[in-house]
Amino acid sequence: DTAVSQTPKYLVTQMGNDKSIKCEQNLGHDTMYWYKQDSKKFLKIMFSYNNKELIINETVPNRFSPKSPDKAHLNLHINSLELGDSAVYFCASSQLLQQFFGPGTRLTVL
Amino acid sequence: GIQVEQSPPDLILQEGANSTLRCNFSDSVNNLQWFHQNPWGQLINLFYIPSGTKQNGRLSATTVATERYSLLYISSSQTTDSGVYFCAVERFSGNTPLVFGKGTRLSVIA
Repeated sequence: DTAVSQTPKYLVTQMGNDKSIKCEQNLGHDTMYWYKQDSKKFLKIMFSYNNKELIINETVPNRFSPKSPDKAHLNLHINSLELGDSAVYFCASSQLLQQFFGPGTRLTVL
Repeated sequence: GIQVEQSPPDLILQEGANSTLRCNFSDSVNNLQWFHQNPWGQLINLFYIPSGTKQNGRLSATTVATERYSLLYISSSQTTDSGVYFCAVERFSGNTPLVFGKGTRLSVIA
């Protein structure tokens, strides 16, 4: 009965690889988000989708591409991974304004 | 963009003590939320509180929107309250990003 779920929980990969992180919410929310948390715990929004449409894109490199096949899913695909992409990536969802977060995916790029 | 400042950056408490965490923001907001990130990394939404006062068990929050600050009160602290507390604000509702402060790291010792 998890509200917002992400897979995988941990992802270790080499520089230059392409990887995806999946997010699903069963709350019936219309809006979903991707956040990046760096090593200093600073949280910054990357993308926001409302009903499968992109509404916020916060100057994220083109190597990051979100995809929303339906309003319950928002996946994040990352091309040509770089060392600086190492971080924890959080998915979140909201119906009105209160946001609920997934457990996070810790990405380590070697 | 809007600035969010949280204080103190770090706080150590004896179990049973009370504490007040502060969040100042630089512009008027329509959305303010408090989150707790536990030591395992999970982000829990504590309050959606753009104005007024709310209580949930030992936690309560007050936002004085006209003076651009919010306070989070923790009473009778427990070791499970340890973690990082984030304040996040949004200037306009829905289509603008939620901006996070740098957090207050709380350690409650037995």
